[in-house]
Amino acid sequence: DVKVTQSSRYLVKRTGEKVFLECVQDMDHENMFWYRQDPGLGLRLIYFSYDVKMKEKGDIPEGYSVSREKKERFSLILESASTNQTSMYLCASSQGPNTQYFGPGTRLTVL
Amino acid sequence: DAKTTQPTSMDCAEGRAANLPCNHSTISGNEYVYWYRQIHSQGPQYIIHGLKNNETNEMASLIITEDRKSSTLILPHATLRDTAVYYCIVRATLKTSYDKVIFGPGTSLSVIP
Repeated sequence: DVKVTQSSRYLVKRTGEKVFLECVQDMDHENMFWYRQDPGLGLRLIYFSYDVKMKEKGDIPEGYSVSREKKERFSLILESASTNQTSMYLCASSQGPNTQYFGPGTRLTVL
Repeated sequence: DAKTTQPTSMDCAEGRAANLPCNHSTISGNEYVYWYRQIHSQGPQYIIHGLKNNETNEMASLIITEDRKSSTLILPHATLRDTAVYYCIVRATLKTSYDKVIFGPGTSLSVIP
């Protein structure tokens, strides 16, 4: 079974803090994705990566950066957290154009 | 990707089959039908996908009509743990390999004891 894990289920941070969200997949997938999910707005793609050290902006990259130093690990960084970044963050991975498998999600609250 | 239409909500008695419909009348020939579900406060879980033929796995069955304009996800013996929002999406897996997933509102399934 594909396993995608995320470093935290729940996280509370203060405005201005630097926040790191980590995602690890164990299936040697090429592609990894970071989404955020908000009520009424559905899933929105922040960044994705199709190879180690490669990254592409999604639909809402502002305020975020990413890092992929190893194939199995994709990190999302909030450089200076703001209250409008309070959300559910979802990581996913896929092999080529096929099924995306999601992690359990991190519910981030920025106070 | 083609749009899908699903009922907003459904109830199902525990132990009975849950049949969740999805309309995708503008589906293209190279688009697959995917189903995911999301239990409250958890990440989306992949269930099943298919192109033309009916598919079955350990979680569910997928019935696709011959004209491919609609499909039904069947949970054969629903349990309380199947209470979730179920998303039907259509995706062309021949597109660029980093195509994002887009969920619609989905169907909120409540399994009743």
